Formats: sequence, structure tokens, C-alpha cells
Amino acid sequence: NAGVMQNPRHLVRRRGQEARLRCSPMKGHSHVYWYRQLPEEGLKFMVYLQKENIIDESGMPKERFSAEFPKEGPSILRIQQVVRGDSAAYFCASSTDYSTYNEQFFGPGTRLTVL
Amino acid sequence: KQEVTQIPAALSVPEGENLVLNCSFTDSAIYNLQWFRQDPGKGLTSLLLIQSSQREQTSGRLNASLDKSSGRSTLYIAASQPGDSATYLCAGRRDDKIIFGKGTRLHILP
Repeated sequence: NAGVMQNPRHLVRRRGQEARLRCSPMKGHSHVYWYRQLPEEGLKFMVYLQKENIIDESGMPKERFSAEFPKEGPSILRIQQVVRGDSAAYFCASSTDYSTYNEQFFGPGTRLTVL
Repeated sequence: KQEVTQIPAALSVPEGENLVLNCSFTDSAIYNLQWFRQDPGKGLTSLLLIQSSQREQTSGRLNASLDKSSGRSTLYIAASQPGDSATYLCAGRRDDKIIFGKGTRLHILP
């Protein structure tokens, strides 16, 4: 049973380009969470999604960032018109369902570098 | 607002010593407390997860405790080894999100 998969593992973009980060949850998991780790900062929650629904986006920047988790395929975190401050490691986690006892399992992360 | 604080930010100890990493959190209504390990440029490895109804968890040379009333957790590492060198993250689960501390960078001196 493969763990949470993220791709690409490393992504380089120039300022103004778009970045698309993909997350495939563990088999049987229908809940996905995105976290961001800025340099020298702790990981911070961005968004929580179920299939076709955004449940909690309280940690998402108001502009340029969006997330989706379609019925088929991976979850996508999309960053439009990237700026240098978007350079960070983006981690995805998944769980079976929403329960306070259900552990979130983390992927290896995507490291975004904006030139 | 939940905050998780880890002290110290960095720690260097000689190989073979026992050590304790500290974590404090402001919201005692956490659902669970989790310790992760992160190697430079790598992802997160879950070490121990303590549910709110539990007081401690053990795995090999690691022991984590949780005291919700005081808002504290500790990670005890016995007989430290150079391979234990990494950043250790403490994280509290509240609702649908995990709140992370900034971590303690641990360096075990051979």
C-alpha cells in the first residue's frame, strides 16, 4: 500500500508563472490536507478538502492560491503568478475520514523555488 | 488560537546521552499530540502519536508524554546516536488541522 504521493518533488518557476502541485492520497483515503513550510518557519495549515468539496480553507492566502480534489485524480494545489515569497515546501496529508482519532499521513513534499 | 512552542530551538549533545525535547501548547482542548522527525530537505516521519485520553507512548528508544492540564509534552530519547540528528517537530491536532511548532534541531556529536 503506497503512501501519500506528491509530484513533482522539486519545482522551479520564474516569477509570474503558474505552479501546479499534485497529491495522491493513500488508497482508501478521501480526505486531503495541504500544509506549507516557509524557510525557517513551522508548517502551517492551508486547506482541507474532501472529494469535490473544500471543507476548510482558512489557511489559504486570499489571492493567487486555489485547491481542488476532483472526483477522479489527484488533489491539485495551484499557485498563479508566483512570487519569490511562495518559495517553500508544500506538504500534503491524507486521512480515511474526518475523525479526531484518524491520523493524517504526510507525503514527501514538493519543494517550490521561485526565481 | 492554538500555538505550539518548542524549546530549545537547537540542541547539541554527545552520543550516548539521554535527552528530553520540550513542547508546550496553549489550547488544552487538543485531540492528540504528535511528534515528527524531519531530516534536511526531506519529508515528515511520524514518531509517536498520543491521543488526548492517553498520557504517553513508547517506541523503541523514544518515549513521549502528554500533560494536557499543563499544556506540555516531552519527547525522551534514550542512548542518543548520530543517526538521531534531525529536526523534531511537535504538533497538536485541533479540529481538522494540525498545528506545528517550529521544531528543535538536534545534533548528536559522535
